[in-house]
Amino acid sequence: GQSLEQPSEVTAVEGAIVQINCTYQTSGFYGLSWYQQHDGGAPTFLSYNGLDGLEETGRFSSFLSRSDSYGYLLLQELQMKDSASYFCAVSLYNQGGKLIFGQGTELSVKP
Amino acid sequence: DTGVSQNPRHKITKRGQNVTFRCDPISEHNRLYWYRQTLGQGPEFLTYFQNEAQLEKSRLLSDRFSAERPKGSFSTLEIQRTEQGDSAMYLCASSLMAGGPQEQFFGPGTRLTVL
Repeated sequence: GQSLEQPSEVTAVEGAIVQINCTYQTSGFYGLSWYQQHDGGAPTFLSYNGLDGLEETGRFSSFLSRSDSYGYLLLQELQMKDSASYFCAVSLYNQGGKLIFGQGTELSVKP
Repeated sequence: DTGVSQNPRHKITKRGQNVTFRCDPISEHNRLYWYRQTLGQGPEFLTYFQNEAQLEKSRLLSDRFSAERPKGSFSTLEIQRTEQGDSAMYLCASSLMAGGPQEQFFGPGTRLTVL
């Protein structure tokens, strides 16, 4: 089967840096994506890692280590609007791009 | 094109009734996915289409669920004989088929409540 683990909640203050970890156990791993979802909103794409290493997109970066079955999302210069749920999701070889999501990490940014 | 749209946004029904949801993907996207999300959980894959062909159905999807994508454009998801356990947010997403996994664009979802 496939499983992903991420912390259920994280709290940080405005301006800080926070890292959300994701470990996965899958067969046929292809890549790791990150999505953000505000309360009552749709998931929106943040980042994708197909290869080992760091991908940077503005204040957000994502890292993947395929050998460790591990990735993380790094959020810098936190803002109040970053309070949301963050999901890691794996895609698999020959599975048409379907995503298998983790249970999500609820990030609370405090003033 | 303003993105993926879903209708209705909310549906309240009584147990045993049939319901149908519609998803209109981004027009040039040839892949369309349905997911289900319950409170405090991540989206759970249900099924996906590449153009009009339904290529995979989750084993979690019982025979009461059926999805179609005629002509490879909009899609419908029907649930027959609804049960209280079907109460969830039903999300639709679309993407371009390309060389590898692509960003999926999600619609706002249809929230189903089965009484």
